[in-house]
Order: sequence, then C-alpha cells, then structure tokens
Amino acid sequence: AQSVTQLGSHVSVSEGALVLLRCNYSSSVPPYLFWYVQYPNQGLQLLLKYTTGATLVKGINGFEAEFKKSETSFHLTKPSAHMSDAAEYFCAVTVPLGTGGSYIPTFGRGTSLIVHP
Amino acid sequence: GAGVSQSPRYKVAKRGQDVALRCDPISGHVSLFWYQQALGQGPEFLTYFQNEAQLDKSGLPSDRFFAERPEGSVSTLKIQRTQQEDSAVYLCASSLRDQTYEQYFGPGTRLTVT
Repeated sequence: AQSVTQLGSHVSVSEGALVLLRCNYSSSVPPYLFWYVQYPNQGLQLLLKYTTGATLVKGINGFEAEFKKSETSFHLTKPSAHMSDAAEYFCAVTVPLGTGGSYIPTFGRGTSLIVHP
Repeated sequence: GAGVSQSPRYKVAKRGQDVALRCDPISGHVSLFWYQQALGQGPEFLTYFQNEAQLDKSGLPSDRFFAERPEGSVSTLKIQRTQQEDSAVYLCASSLRDQTYEQYFGPGTRLTVT
C-alpha cells in the first residue's frame, strides 16, 4: 500500500513570500501524485497532478510541484503567496491500474497554509 | 456544468438514529468514492463504486455503514445506529474513469452525533 507524509501541519508565510509545502510518499510502484486544496466548508479541489512525463508540474493559481523520485518527494511551491491562498492543502498518492499497488487513493493529513498581510 | 452535490450539508443525529447521506456525481462519471474526514485530518477512504458495482468496501468502519449506487449515478451512504465516533465530514468524489483520473469532490456532509 502507498502512504503520504506531509511535513508540518501548519505553514505560515507573509503575503508575497515563497510558499513551500512538503510531501513525501512511499510506493512500491511508480506513483501518481496529486495536490488538492480545501477551503473552509468546501470539498477538495485539484491543484495539480503528476502521472508520467515531465517531473515539474504546473497547476492552477500559480502553484507548481516537482516529482523527485530519488527523494520520494512531491513538494508544492508558489513564488509569491496571496491572502487568498490561505487554505488546507492535501497531498495524495495512487498508482496506475494493473501495477500491483493499491488503487485506493491515500491522502496526507493536510497542511494549513496561513498567509499574513 | 454542475459539479458534485451532496445532501444534506449538515446533519445532527441523536446517538442510535439512522442517517442517509446522498451524493449526486457529475453526469457520466464512472467512478464514485466515499471518504470520511475527521477534524484536522485528510480524507480516509470508505468505499468505491465503478458504475453500480461496489468494487471495494474495505474502508467501511463497521457493518453499520452501508453504501449503494443502484443505477450507477446517485449514491447513498447509510449509517445505522449512529455513534459519537461517526461524527465527521463525509465527502463524495467522482471521476471520469478510475482513481488515476482527477477526482471531483462534493462539499461534504457534516454529521454530528449527539
């Protein structure tokens, strides 16, 4: 089975500063990786995903993430934080069908991004 | 187009009552997932449907939990004899094909058992 670890339950940045949210995964087969954002009282919304190909993935709202197999990481970054980025962020992992891993998507515990004016 | 909708958005139940939570996925989406999200946690898998077939129910916490999707569209999650530990947000998500595709989440149903 796959697993995901999100380092830091809370990350606090100033508006305009770099955002870095950390995600490390464990998988016995090449994974598919996702970042979702959740605003209060709403469901999760996909920010970006990595399946195959280019390891630097660009998503919505200026976010991007880089798949690093050697580090088993998929950290989320944004060059300049906006107040509207304040939300809960979840990293998730699954695997392609037929590769032998569990197809059940596994989510991390989430990281709350706090943006100060 | 319409996204995933869930009803009710909020449900308060007294311990021992039965509840039914509804999910309307995006039209044409084959896969449907139910998750339980406890306060401050990520979504935890409950069960998975592909069309009307329930392919995996390994995440259901007990036999008090039951889910169905009889016509391959709308799904209902039923919890019998609710307990306080059932209090959580129940999220429904649908995807076009399978779990490797983007999942579209509904807003969730917040269940509070008193």
